[in-house]
Formats: sequence, C-alpha cells, structure tokens
Amino acid sequence: DAGVIQSPRHEVTEMGQEVTLRCKPISGHNSLFWYRQTMMRGLELLIYFNNNVPIDDSGMPEDRFSAKMPNASFSTLKIQPSEPRDSAVYFCASRPPPGSNYGYTFGSGTRLTVV
Amino acid sequence: AQSVTQLGSHVSVSEGALVLLRCNYSSSVPPYLFWYVQYPNQGLQLLLKYTTGATLVKGINGFEAEFKKSETSFHLTKPSAHMSDAAEYFCALKGTGNQFYFGTGTSLTVIP
Repeated sequence: DAGVIQSPRHEVTEMGQEVTLRCKPISGHNSLFWYRQTMMRGLELLIYFNNNVPIDDSGMPEDRFSAKMPNASFSTLKIQPSEPRDSAVYFCASRPPPGSNYGYTFGSGTRLTVV
Repeated sequence: AQSVTQLGSHVSVSEGALVLLRCNYSSSVPPYLFWYVQYPNQGLQLLLKYTTGATLVKGINGFEAEFKKSETSFHLTKPSAHMSDAAEYFCALKGTGNQFYFGTGTSLTVIP
C-alpha cells in the first residue's frame, strides 16, 4: 500500500501564478480531506469530500481556492491567483468508510512557497 | 526514517477516569511533536506541542503530554475525563524540512 500520495512535494511559485496540488487517496477510502498547516494557525480543514462529493467547503479561505474530485482516486486543490500568504504545507488525507479501521491516513504534504 | 505510531485506534474510559493516549515516534533528528483533537464534523485543532525545553507540556482543556526521549514516546494524558473529551486525537511529528507525519488517530469514548 503506497499510502496517500501527494504531488508535488515542494512548489515554489511567483505571486499571481496558478498552483495545482494533487492527491491520490488510498484505494477503498471514500472520504478525502484537504488541510492547510501553518505554524501560526496549525491545521485548518479546507474542504472534504465523501464519495467524491464535496460535503463541507466552509474552510476554503476565499474564491481563489477551488477543489475537485473527479473520481475516487484523484483530487486537486487549485489556487488562482496565488499570494504570498498562501505559503503553507497542504495535506491531503483519506479515510475508509465507518466500521473498518476508521483512521485517517495523511499524505506527506505539499510545501508551497509563494514569492 | 521518521514516523508516528498511535497505539490503539479506540480507547474507552469512564467519566472521571484517567485518559491515556499513546504515541511513539521515530526520528533521526530532534523532533517537534504535536497532539491534535478533532471533534465530530470539525477540522483538527492543536491541543499542545513540544519543541524544546520542558519535557512536560500542558495544553488546552486540561491535557498534557510528556516527551520521553529514552522511550521515544509522547503520550497524552488527562487526570479526569469529561464527556466533552469524546473526540478523535492525532499525534504528529514535524521532522526535517518542515515535513509533517501524522498517526492514524485514536478515537476516545467517554462512558457516563
């Protein structure tokens, strides 16, 4: 099991550019979460999907952020246009349906730096 | 290799009893360690963190954790459980290059 796979691991981009972060959840997991981590604010839930459907996107900071999950094995988080304050580590996590080993598995994160 | 292992995916305690959630880590560098809590339908919130200095760290809601290098552990405790403590708890490690590693979580049930 390769775990939750995120790409890229590191991204450095200029302010105003579009950034796309990618996530492949564990096969069989039906919930997927995008988190943003900063030392100031800790982990913030941005959005989560259940069975590919966005359930709660109230954590998405503003319209510059969007997320999609076109199928059960892939999700993207897009920032357009990016700003320096978006610099953070972005985590994707997935978990299986209730009743099994109902624990999160986190990806290794994407460290985004916007200059 | 850097990793975090949480022992026990489910823990049940009676109201008023001691809460002990276990976390062991593996790290090739001095670790920064965190405990997060997630209440139903919410995101993860930081409970406490250890970076350097005092090995006994106090957090919110009466929780504390002790960093024990010799045991590579960072167990979370609370002397007396409240019903409101029922949640899921995550141990995390910040390793090299700002990389974060999370445990799979421990679900705490408090029995009245």
